[in-house]
Amino acid sequence: AQSVTQLGSHVSVSEGALVLLRCNYSSSVPPYLFWYVQYPNQGLQLLLKYTTGATLVKGINGFEAEFKKSETSFHLTKPSAHMSDAAEYFCAVSFDPVYGGSQGNLIFGKGTKLSVKP
Amino acid sequence: KAGVTQTPRYLIKTRGQQVTLSCSPISGHRSVSWYQQTPGQGLQFLFEYFSETQRNKGNFPGRFSGRQFSNSRSEMNVSTLELGDSALYLCASGLAGGRVTNTEAFFGQGTRLTVV
Repeated sequence: AQSVTQLGSHVSVSEGALVLLRCNYSSSVPPYLFWYVQYPNQGLQLLLKYTTGATLVKGINGFEAEFKKSETSFHLTKPSAHMSDAAEYFCAVSFDPVYGGSQGNLIFGKGTKLSVKP
Repeated sequence: KAGVTQTPRYLIKTRGQQVTLSCSPISGHRSVSWYQQTPGQGLQFLFEYFSETQRNKGNFPGRFSGRQFSNSRSEMNVSTLELGDSALYLCASGLAGGRVTNTEAFFGQGTRLTVV
């Protein structure tokens, strides 16, 4: 079975500091990996995704993530935190339809709430 | 281009009642998925519809059902509501059911269901 683990349900950083949100996955087939952000009372917005190709993926709002197969990780980083980054972040996994995956069937981690201190 | 629209945004129902939630996908999107979000269980996949057919189903009881219409709009129904059904229900739409590499899921703002 496939699963996603996000280490740390809450992360607090100072404005201007590095943001590092951790995500590890478990999968028996090549994964497709996603990071979503959710602001209060809102839906999910895609930050970035890895499917195939380059393992360092750049997303919106200055975020990036690196797929490391040997570590089964897909950590999200941003060099300098901004107050507007305060939100909840979700890592998710899916798979190629060849393996039974589907764009609409995402397995999510429990989420990490990011707080940014002035 | 309009995003994914979910109605209503907020809903309060009594235990034992049933409820229907609606989702209008982005124009041109044929795949619609539903998720339940709760503080305890997080985001859980309910089901996915493509071209009016249920393509995938999560691990939820039969009280949870859905359907998709020819215009790709989708509805989700929960019968015999329980207190534990209180949650944010999110709908996501995507392009025609091709490979995941070619598309992504776009989420609506959700329907907040409270069962009392």
